Amino acid sequence: QVQLQESGPGLVKPSQTLSLTCTVSGGSISSGSNYWSWIRQPAGKGLEWIGRIYSSGSTNYNPSLKSRITISVDMSTNQFSLKLSSVTAADTAVYYCARGVRLGYGDYGWFDTWGQGTLVTVSS
Amino acid sequence: EIVLTQSPGTLSLSPGERATLSCRASQSVSSSYLAWYQQKPGQAPRLLIYGASSRATDIPDRFSGSGSGTDFTLTISRLEPEDFAVYYCQQYGSSPITFGQGTRLEIK
Repeated sequence: QVQLQESGPGLVKPSQTLSLTCTVSGGSISSGSNYWSWIRQPAGKGLEWIGRIYSSGSTNYNPSLKSRITISVDMSTNQFSLKLSSVTAADTAVYYCARGVRLGYGDYGWFDTWGQGTLVTVSS
Repeated sequence: EIVLTQSPGTLSLSPGERATLSCRASQSVSSSYLAWYQQKPGQAPRLLIYGASSRATDIPDRFSGSGSGTDFTLTISRLEPEDFAVYYCQQYGSSPITFGQGTRLEIK
């Protein structure tokens, strides 16, 4: 059974870069049947999709964050990562990594597996 | 961007009752690419329904999804105590992926 685990600093200073890693266990990140995403949730609020990466390295980002995001994948360690630059207090949230199902015709599907989430606070 | 609007914001019901949650999209969701998730406090969301009406693995059959185009519904036929949580709809038919703002299902 695939499991995902987020890791990274819980506190980031304003204007700095938030960096998180998601480790995939029990399955291969290079699986052609899946893609990999980051999603965040401010306290007491809803879910916001940040972006995704496929095993080929192709990415797709939320336009609202696109200028500040980089998502990458490391097949050798079975991990994928998120970098969010120039953070402000508005970026304080629980960050989840999730596995998406790749559909036929290259379509991207639902999220069937989620990490437990990690709280990142932006504060000086 | 497709905006998903969920209603009601909060639903107060008793165990054993039927719950009907709505998700309306600002434009048609292609191929009924809509999912529902359940989230309990301090936990990650859990997939319930995908493709508007297909139950995910190990999801009880009291959960059902329906709808197409712009109107979708999640129905819980008989509420169990563990069903009281927040429910989100999500569309994955077009980028960016978007979620509804959630419906809180609380015990009456």
